[in-house]
Amino acid sequence: QKEVEQDPGPLSVPEGAIVSLNCTYSNSAFQYFMWYRQYSRKGPELLMYTYSSGNKEDGRFTAQVDKSSKYISLFIRDSQPSDSATYLCAMSRVQNKLVFGAGTILRVKS
Amino acid sequence: SQTIHQWPATLVQPVGSPLSLECTVEGTSNPNLYWYRQAAGRGLQLLFYSVGIGQISSEVPQNLSASRPQDRQFILSSKKLLLSDSGFYLCAWRARGTYNEQFFGPGTRLTVL
Repeated sequence: QKEVEQDPGPLSVPEGAIVSLNCTYSNSAFQYFMWYRQYSRKGPELLMYTYSSGNKEDGRFTAQVDKSSKYISLFIRDSQPSDSATYLCAMSRVQNKLVFGAGTILRVKS
Repeated sequence: SQTIHQWPATLVQPVGSPLSLECTVEGTSNPNLYWYRQAAGRGLQLLFYSVGIGQISSEVPQNLSASRPQDRQFILSSKKLLLSDSGFYLCAWRARGTYNEQFFGPGTRLTVL
């Protein structure tokens, strides 16, 4: 079993939809959770990071962590075609190496 | 602000040839530096990380090596490339004192023929 599981998609949604991207993990020691966005043939860009459980909001993006279920989510409101990318979750123990999910391909259709 | 550079952007090399990929970071001092490889449809695999000049930790045994000759310079090398070395190579940095937010460079796409 992989430490971090992420559905590869692709996930196709119409413009304006609310998108939900998710990861599950097995290591209960993970404390730090991140979401990266990666456009085709580019390096990943850090979108959101949260420490321990709870929610964090930044504009159209909301990150949620449920440590009891070992489940994290990224919500994108009012999705735009420019949101089309691969979304990678990543997590770690504090100041330890990051473990990445395989990424979910998102396509937002105009 | 901080920026991270990688070059070359694209590289096509024959099997058995040497490799040198370079990464430099601007606007920060004494960062942690990382080399990752990304294969199609798979997550990022950590190859090497460095906490300071000359200090390299290897995560995966392979025919690659890394060096950090200067504070903000990180080099990935190989003496003889294999077909399996093809992939997208990413350099990343983390500032000291942060939890673990890593920032990635633009990447180098390597094709070994």
